[in-house]
Amino acid sequence: DIKMTQSPSSLSASLGERVTISCRASENINNYLSWYQKKEDGSVKLLIYHTSRLQPGAPSRFSGSGSGKDYSLTISGLESEDIATYYCQQGYTPLTFGSGTKLEIK
Amino acid sequence: QVQLKESGPGLVQPSQTLSLTCTVSGFSLTSYHVSWVRQPPGKGLEWMGVIWTGGSTAYNSLLKSRLSISRDISKSQVFLKMNSLQTEDTATYYCARASDYGYTHFDYWGQGVMVTVSS
Repeated sequence: DIKMTQSPSSLSASLGERVTISCRASENINNYLSWYQKKEDGSVKLLIYHTSRLQPGAPSRFSGSGSGKDYSLTISGLESEDIATYYCQQGYTPLTFGSGTKLEIK
Repeated sequence: QVQLKESGPGLVQPSQTLSLTCTVSGFSLTSYHVSWVRQPPGKGLEWMGVIWTGGSTAYNSLLKSRLSISRDISKSQVFLKMNSLQTEDTATYYCARASDYGYTHFDYWGQGVMVTVSS
C-alpha cells in the first residue's frame, strides 16, 4: 500500500496569512492526489482533486500543486471558517490518507 | 442534491457484528461507486472498501476477512457488515461517493456515524 506522510501535524496561523500543508507519497502517484477538509462537526468536504483541480463550490483561496511523490495545499489568505483538519489522499486502490494537519488560528 | 446518510447502532458489543446502512439520494448506485471510510478517535482516515457500480466489491486487505459490503439499488442503500468486532473498531464510519472523474477520490461524504465497541 502507498503510504502518505503529511506535515505538519498541526499549524497555527493568523487570519489573512498564507498557509501551506505538505504531503509525500511513498511512491510516484502521478498527480492522483486529493485534499479534504474535515470540520469539528465531522463533516468532510473535497477541496482539490488531481493535484490542482478545484472542486466546484470550494473557495478559490485553496490551491494545490505538486508532482511525483510531493504535493502541497495552499490557503491564500486564511479565514476563520478554514479552521479544520486537512487530509491528503492518494488515488490508487487501496486508497490511503495522510495523517492530517490540524489548523488553528493564532 | 447529492446526499449520503449513515445509520446504525451507536454501541456494539465485542465479538458481535456491526451493521451499517448508507442511504443515498440525488444519484444512482448504478452510476457511482460508493465506499466506506472510518476514523478511530484521534487517528487518521482508513479506506475500508468499495461497491462498484456493477455490484462487485473490493476491500482493504486488513479487513477483508471480516467485512462485507452490499447494496439494494431499489432502496438506494449500501450496507456494511463487519464481524468479530473489537475495541479497536471504535470509530466514526463514513460512506462516500467516488467522483465520476474516476475511482481516485470522493466528491461527497455522509455526516458519519459514531460506533463504540464496548461491553
